[in-house]
Amino acid sequence: QKEVEQDPGPLSVPEGAIVSLNCTYSNSAFQYFMWYRQYSRKGPELLMYTYSSGNKEDGRFTAQVDKSSKYISLFIRDSQPSDSATYLCAMRQHSRLTFGEGTQLTVNP
Amino acid sequence: NAGVTQTPKFQVLKTGQSMTLQCAQDMNHNSMYWYRQDPGMGLRLIYYSASEGTTDKGEVPNGYNVSRLNKREFSLRLESAAPSQTSVYFCASSVSGDNEQFFGPGTRLTVL
Repeated sequence: QKEVEQDPGPLSVPEGAIVSLNCTYSNSAFQYFMWYRQYSRKGPELLMYTYSSGNKEDGRFTAQVDKSSKYISLFIRDSQPSDSATYLCAMRQHSRLTFGEGTQLTVNP
Repeated sequence: NAGVTQTPKFQVLKTGQSMTLQCAQDMNHNSMYWYRQDPGMGLRLIYYSASEGTTDKGEVPNGYNVSRLNKREFSLRLESAAPSQTSVYFCASSVSGDNEQFFGPGTRLTVL
């Protein structure tokens, strides 16, 4: 069983939609929870990270962590075609990151 | 400021051949990492170097060796390539143990 599970999609939404991306995990030792974005044929780049349970907002993006359920989410409001990418959740224990498989998102104009 | 650079961008090998993937960063980061990315498996850590002079195995180290040449450079070597090593390889670096890892553009490797 993978430590981090993420639905790979693909997910296709119209422009302006609210997008919800999710990951579950099994390792209680994970301390930090991150979302990376990866455009086609590029390396991933950090979008945002959280430490504790609750919500963290950055512009149109909101990251949510529920440690009791071992569940994290990323919400994208007013989605734009430029948001089309693969979104990877990642979790940190000490100096190592464990990534989810990634969800491929397409936002259609 | 180039960030993380990787060479080559593409490579085709025959089974049994060897090659070294090169990675360099100019951000004065202490930690460097090698990942492979495969469909259905996501990014998996091969080896990492928490600081200059140290290297540690990650999730999938078999068939690979690494060298942390200096603070800037971290190379990945395939001694005898196998078709199962066909993948996209990413190098990354970070301030020690930081959440933000900076990734290179990747090397697409095919082993026939």
